[in-house]
Amino acid sequence: SQTIHQWPATLVQPVGSPLSLECTVEGTSNPNLYWYRQAAGRGLQLLFYSVGIGQISSEVPQNLSASRPQDRQFILSSKKLLLSDSGFYLCAWSWKGQETQYFGPGTRLLVL
Amino acid sequence: TQLLEQSPQFLSIQEGENLTVYCNSSSVFSSLQWYRQEPGEGPVLLVTVVTGGEVKKLKRLTFQFGDARKDSSLHITAAQPGDTGLYLCAGAPNSGYALNFGKGTSLLVTP
Repeated sequence: SQTIHQWPATLVQPVGSPLSLECTVEGTSNPNLYWYRQAAGRGLQLLFYSVGIGQISSEVPQNLSASRPQDRQFILSSKKLLLSDSGFYLCAWSWKGQETQYFGPGTRLLVL
Repeated sequence: TQLLEQSPQFLSIQEGENLTVYCNSSSVFSSLQWYRQEPGEGPVLLVTVVTGGEVKKLKRLTFQFGDARKDSSLHITAAQPGDTGLYLCAGAPNSGYALNFGKGTSLLVTP
């Protein structure tokens, strides 16, 4: 079976500090990977998706970036965090050619 | 972006009652997913519907995809406190990778 992990679970960072959130998937190969942000426990906004190693598509311009250094690893980064970056960050994966996405447990980020 | 409107936004009912939540759009989706999310956790997939008019049942939950594949409903029979959570629908457009999410229906079932 497939599992998806995210860490850390919770993060408190000062404004202007860097960020690195990690997501890994087990039990599958060559998945599509996604980063979402969820504000105030409501709808999800797609930030980035990746169809393969080194292939990143950005949906929303912002001070965040994503990288996929390995097949089942997806990283969300920032060089300098803003207050508005606070939120709940969710990683998801899907099989190639299929639309259903499976979500990780999420990372709660608070920027002070 | 193909918008999905969910209604109601909030629903508070007592244990044993039935309820229906709706997910509507003016756009056609190739498939639609329903998720349930608890506070501080990631959304958990409940069902995927792909065929217009399709009905799927998951214990006390019944999901229906509209004939035109523009809308969907989730009906819960005899709700239980364990059904409490945020119910999200998400539609896959005919092209691209992004799922379009509704804002969710927050359900509270009290004993």
